[in-house]
Amino acid sequence: AQKITQTQPGMFVQEKEAVTLDCTYDTSDQSYGLFWYKQPSSGEMIFLIYQGSYDEQNATEGRYSLNFQKARKSANLVISASQLGDSAMYFCAMREGLGGSQGNLIFGKGTKLSVKP
Amino acid sequence: DTGVSQDPRHKITKRGQNVTFRCDPISEHNRLYWYRQTLGQGPEFLTYFQNEAQLEKSRLLSDRFSAERPKGSFSTLEIQRTEQGDSAMYLCADLPLNEQFFGPGTRLTVL
Repeated sequence: AQKITQTQPGMFVQEKEAVTLDCTYDTSDQSYGLFWYKQPSSGEMIFLIYQGSYDEQNATEGRYSLNFQKARKSANLVISASQLGDSAMYFCAMREGLGGSQGNLIFGKGTKLSVKP
Repeated sequence: DTGVSQDPRHKITKRGQNVTFRCDPISEHNRLYWYRQTLGQGPEFLTYFQNEAQLEKSRLLSDRFSAERPKGSFSTLEIQRTEQGDSAMYLCADLPLNEQFFGPGTRLTVL
C-alpha cells in the first residue's frame, strides 16, 4: 500500500533562513507523482510544487524546491529565505492507485512550520 | 483563489440533523474529489466523480455519507444523522494536470 511519512511534527526556522521539511514515501509503482501543499490557519490547501517520478530535474517554484531522491524514496521540500507568512502546516502527498490513475491524493500527517522574526 | 468554491464555509448543526455541502469546481475539469480533514491530520479521500459518474465510493466513511454530481457540474456531499465525530473540514478538489486544486472547505461542527 502507498504511504507518505512526515516525521517532523513541528519545525522552527529563523526568518530569512532556509528550511527543509522531510517527506518519505512508499510505493511499488514506477510512475507516480508527489505534491506539497501549504495550509495556513485559515484552512485552505495551497498547492506549492509537483514532482513526477520520471522528471529528471528537481522541481522548483520560486522559493520552493523539491529535493527528490528516488532511490531513497524521499521528496523533501526546501523553502529558501523564509518569511513570516510561511508559518503554516505543510503536507506531502502522492497520487493513489496504479500509476496514479485514480487521481486522488494520499497525505502525510503534516509538519507545522513556525518562522521566527 | 483556485476557482473551486464551496458552500457553506461553516456549518454548525445539532447531532442527528442532516447536512449538505456544495462544491463548484473549475468547470472545464471533469474530475471532482471529496476529502475530509480532522484536526491534526492530513486530508483523507472520500469519493470522486468523473463527469457525473461516481467511480469510487467505498471510502465514504459510513452509509450516512453520500455524494452526487448531477449533470457533471457541481457536486453535493450529504451527511445524514450527523454525529459529533463528523466534525471536520470537508474539502473538494479538482484535477487539471499535475496539480489538484482545493476549494476553501466547509468546516462542520456537530454539537
